[in-house]
Order: sequence, then C-alpha cells, then structure tokens
Amino acid sequence: GEDVEQSLFLSVREGDSSVINCTYTDSSSTYLYWYKQEPGAGLQLLTYIFSNMDMKQDQRLTVLLNKKDKHLSLRIADTQTGDSAIYFCAERYGSSNTGKLIFGQGTTLQVKP
Amino acid sequence: GAVVSQHPSRVICKSGTSVKIECRSLDFQATTMFWYRQFPKQSLMLMATSNEGSKATYEQGVEKDKFLINHASLTLSTLTVTSAHPEDSSFYICSASRGLVYGYTFGSGTRLTVV
Repeated sequence: GEDVEQSLFLSVREGDSSVINCTYTDSSSTYLYWYKQEPGAGLQLLTYIFSNMDMKQDQRLTVLLNKKDKHLSLRIADTQTGDSAIYFCAERYGSSNTGKLIFGQGTTLQVKP
Repeated sequence: GAVVSQHPSRVICKSGTSVKIECRSLDFQATTMFWYRQFPKQSLMLMATSNEGSKATYEQGVEKDKFLINHASLTLSTLTVTSAHPEDSSFYICSASRGLVYGYTFGSGTRLTVV
C-alpha cells in the first residue's frame, strides 16, 4: 500500500536553512506536494514537483526529488520565525485527475529567534 | 487563485445531535472533493471522496451512515456528522482539486467539539 514518512520535528535558528525530508513508497506517483499548516488552520500549498523533475526552486523554497530512492526534500533558505508551522509532504496516489493525496505525518518546524 | 470556503470554522454541539459542515469552491468547479479528519498533532486522514452527482467513496473503516456526504452541485459538498459523540471531536478539512498541476486547495477546516 501507499505510505509517506517524515521526521516529526525540526528546530533551526532564524536565518539558517531548514531541510525537511520525506520518503514515499508509490513509485507511480506523478506529483508530489509540500503543504504548510499553521495552528488551527487548513493547509496551504507551498510547492509541488512533477515526477520527471529532479529539482525545483521557487524563491526561498527548493524541492529535491530522488526517484530512485523515493526521497523528497524541502529546503527553506533564510528561515524566518513566520515559517514556524507543520509541513506535510503528500504524494498523489492514482493516475486520474481525481487521485487522492496521501500525507506524511507532518514535520513541526520550530524557528528560534 | 482557487479558494475553498469551509463553514463553520468552529462548532460545539451536544452529544446525540447532528452537525453539517459545508465546503464550497468559490471560483472553480470541483467535480471531486475530499474530506479529511485530523487529530491533534497527527496527519490528515482521508475519510471519503465526494463525487458530484453520485455516491461518495468512503475509506476503509469510515462509517458511511455516520458521516453523510452530499455533493449536490459542482461547487458544494457537505459532510454531516450524525448522532455525534465526544469521540467524533476532531478537526475536519475539505479539499478540492483544480487539476494535476494546481494540486489540491484546502478549506480552512472545522473544529468540532462534541460535549
């Protein structure tokens, strides 16, 4: 079955880079996503990567995908206190336009001033 | 950008009553919406896939008679928690897809507390 794993907690100092890691099992995944959740709120899509890409950069965010190892990472450069939140990686399960998302457990990012 | 509106944001109800949660796609049509449940400090658990004009598809272990889903139009899906009990207290989130590239847009969630 499908499974997505993440480390649960990461603590960094303001200004440092944060790297959040994720592994997944479904080799047929076409899209992989990173979402951010602030306390008591819904999920905000941060970025996504298509399975034929190795890297995608969007301002402070860099996503790396290693398809061979089924490993996905999100790097946040110059981490700010406002980046403190829970970060979820998700893989799209199924090839249809309405395939469901499978989420990891979420990584709580704590940014210290 | 795509917006999904979810209401109410917070509800407290008495045990045994039913609660309806609405999920609307405001600027796009969503033939499929998804309902998730999230316990504190845990990930999102997919409960069901809501299909416009047809019956919802429930994940294993989710009681369809307990969690009634209606997707009557291309912009509205509702989740009704029937005969709610304290163990149903949770954070419920809906989402809708605009297409592969855009991923899924999530509502802001509903905090349900059953007393």
